[in-house]
Amino acid sequence: DVKVTQSSRYLVKRTGEKVFLECVQDMDHENMFWYRQDPGLGLRLIYFSYDVKMKEKGDIPEGYSVSREKKERFSLILESASTNQTSMYLCASRSGLLHNEQFFGPGTRLTVL
Amino acid sequence: AQKVTQAQTEISVVEKEDVTLDCVYETRDTTYYLFWYKQPPSGELVFLIRRNSFDEQNEISGRYSWNFQKSTSSFNFTITASQVVDSAVYFCALSERTNAGKSTFGDGTTLTVKP
Repeated sequence: DVKVTQSSRYLVKRTGEKVFLECVQDMDHENMFWYRQDPGLGLRLIYFSYDVKMKEKGDIPEGYSVSREKKERFSLILESASTNQTSMYLCASRSGLLHNEQFFGPGTRLTVL
Repeated sequence: AQKVTQAQTEISVVEKEDVTLDCVYETRDTTYYLFWYKQPPSGELVFLIRRNSFDEQNEISGRYSWNFQKSTSSFNFTITASQVVDSAVYFCALSERTNAGKSTFGDGTTLTVKP
């Protein structure tokens, strides 16, 4: 059964902390994505990666960075968390072809106090 | 730039009613792909269907059907005889060949089916 897993379902952090959100997929997919989901705003793309060590900014990259050292793992980093980064974060993966669907993880609900 | 509009923010129906979720898209590309995803209360988005820009054939899968019309840039989703388990947030998404593999999602439509 194909799977995308995220390191935490719920996370509470303090303003200014460095936060790591981890995502792992077991499907050998080339593409991986990080989205944030906020009420009324749908899914907004933060970053995506089309290969190991390759990354591209999405629509809202400010305040975030990413790391992809291995094909199966894509990490989202909040260098200095702020309260406006409180959100649901969704990771997804997709095999290389554009017409393929994305597979999503269960999400991490991050609260920054 | 690509854009997906789901004008219906929330829809509430009673079980066994039919319901249609609207999706309108904008793109300048001639090659693109449209998707529908379902996000149940548990949170994990699940893929439902894909259509490419060269295939306007409608599709039916059980109680679900999809109507793709390039003339109106729409890709609507109909649930026939809705059930409580259909309650979820539904997202329409668009991927363009010229947009480096990124997908654009609509804001989602929250469907509530009451018993």
